[in-house]
Amino acid sequence: RKEVEQDPGPFNVPEGATVAFNCTYSNSASQSFFWYRQDCRKEPKLLMSVYSSGNEDGRFTAQLNRASQYISLLIRDSKLSDSATYLCVVNMNTGFQKLVFGTGTRLLVSP
Amino acid sequence: NAGVTQTPKFQVLKTGQSMTLQCAQDMNHEYMSWYRQDPGMGLRLIHYSVGAGITDQGEVPNGYNVSRSTTEDFPLRLLSAAPSQTSVYFCASSSGGRTPLHFGNGTRLTVT
Repeated sequence: RKEVEQDPGPFNVPEGATVAFNCTYSNSASQSFFWYRQDCRKEPKLLMSVYSSGNEDGRFTAQLNRASQYISLLIRDSKLSDSATYLCVVNMNTGFQKLVFGTGTRLLVSP
Repeated sequence: NAGVTQTPKFQVLKTGQSMTLQCAQDMNHEYMSWYRQDPGMGLRLIHYSVGAGITDQGEVPNGYNVSRSTTEDFPLRLLSAAPSQTSVYFCASSSGGRTPLHFGNGTRLTVT
């Protein structure tokens, strides 16, 4: 089993739609979680950290389910500019900052 | 407000050549790391450092060397380039612990 798994997509949605991605992780001791956004041929950029109680940043909501070992990202009212690959990142917390990246979920928002 | 700076942005090498990818950060981050990104495989950790003078191997260290003589700089050396090292390389830094990574713009390396 991969340490961090994501559905590669692509998810094709129209503008204004709501879309959700899940990401599962294997290490139950993992302590910190992030969603990054990566545009084509660019560096990953932090979208948001994921907190235990869930957190929201504008149209983006992140949730953590420790019992089932997954995190989710919900995007409401999708914009064309949301088209990108979304990377799930988990700190496996094995004594140092071991950040493991998922392969990413590609989102395409169309007019 | 430079953040993490990587050079060069593009590089073409012949098999067997050596080169150094440069990475510098101005955020006084203790933790620095190098990743490579290949299609369908996500980012894989090559080497990392938790402070000046301290480095360790990541998931895919073979064929690469690193050193960390200062907090700011973390160069990655390819000793004898191979076509399998064709990839996009990202340097990243953070304050460690539960803080997120800040990435450089990447170096696109092609080995022929």
